[in-house]
Amino acid sequence: EDQVTQSPEALRLQEGESSSLNCSYTVSGLRGLFWYRQDPGKGPEFLFTLYSAGEEKEKERLKATLTKKESFLHITAPKPEDSATYLCAVQALIGSGNTGKLIFGQGTTLQVKP
Amino acid sequence: DVKVTQSSRYLVKRTGEKVFLECVQDMDHENMFWYRQDPGLGLRLIYFSYDVKMKEKGDIPEGYSVSREKKERFSLILESASTNQTSMYLCASSWGQGYGYTFGSGTRLTVV
Repeated sequence: EDQVTQSPEALRLQEGESSSLNCSYTVSGLRGLFWYRQDPGKGPEFLFTLYSAGEEKEKERLKATLTKKESFLHITAPKPEDSATYLCAVQALIGSGNTGKLIFGQGTTLQVKP
Repeated sequence: DVKVTQSSRYLVKRTGEKVFLECVQDMDHENMFWYRQDPGLGLRLIYFSYDVKMKEKGDIPEGYSVSREKKERFSLILESASTNQTSMYLCASSWGQGYGYTFGSGTRLTVV
C-alpha cells in the first residue's frame, strides 16, 4: 500500500536554529514528490516538486532533497515567518491514473520563536 | 495570477440541510479534487473528477456527492449535513500526471 509518513509531528526552533523535516514514503513507483506549506486556516501552497533520487531544489531558506525512500526539507536559519505546517505528498506511477492523485503525509507543524 | 476559488471561507449550517460547496479554477485543469482536513487525520480525499461529468470516489465518499457540469467548476454536495461533517474542506486542481495540485483557500464548515 502506498504510504507517506512525516516526522516529527511538531518542531519548535529558535530563530536561526537550522533543522530538517523528514518525509518517508512507500509507493509502487514514484512519479513525483511534492512539498507544500500551509498556514493556519488557509489552503496548502506549493513549494517544490522532486522527480528522481539525488534531485535538490532550493527556495530562500528552504532546500528539499530526495532519495529512493525519503525526502528532507532543510530549513536554514529559520525566521518566525517560516512557522507553518509543511506537507509532503507523493504521486505514484501506478494508482494515480491520469488524474495525478497525490497521497499526503500528516504534516509537520513548525514553530519558530524569535 | 492563476487560482482556485472556493465560494465561501466560512459556513454554518444546520443538521439535515443540503449544503453546496463551490470551487472554480481558471487554469483549464483537467482534474479537480475535494478533500477534507481534520486535526490528527490529515487530508482525506472525498471525490475527484478527471473530466467534465466524470467523477470517482475517493477514500471517504459517504454522505457526499459531486457535480462537474463545466470544466472549471467542481461542486461538493452534502446531501444531509451532519455534525461529523464539520471540517475544513479544500478544493484542488491539477494538470495530471507529473504535476502537483493548486489548492483553494478552503471552506471552514460548521454543522450545528
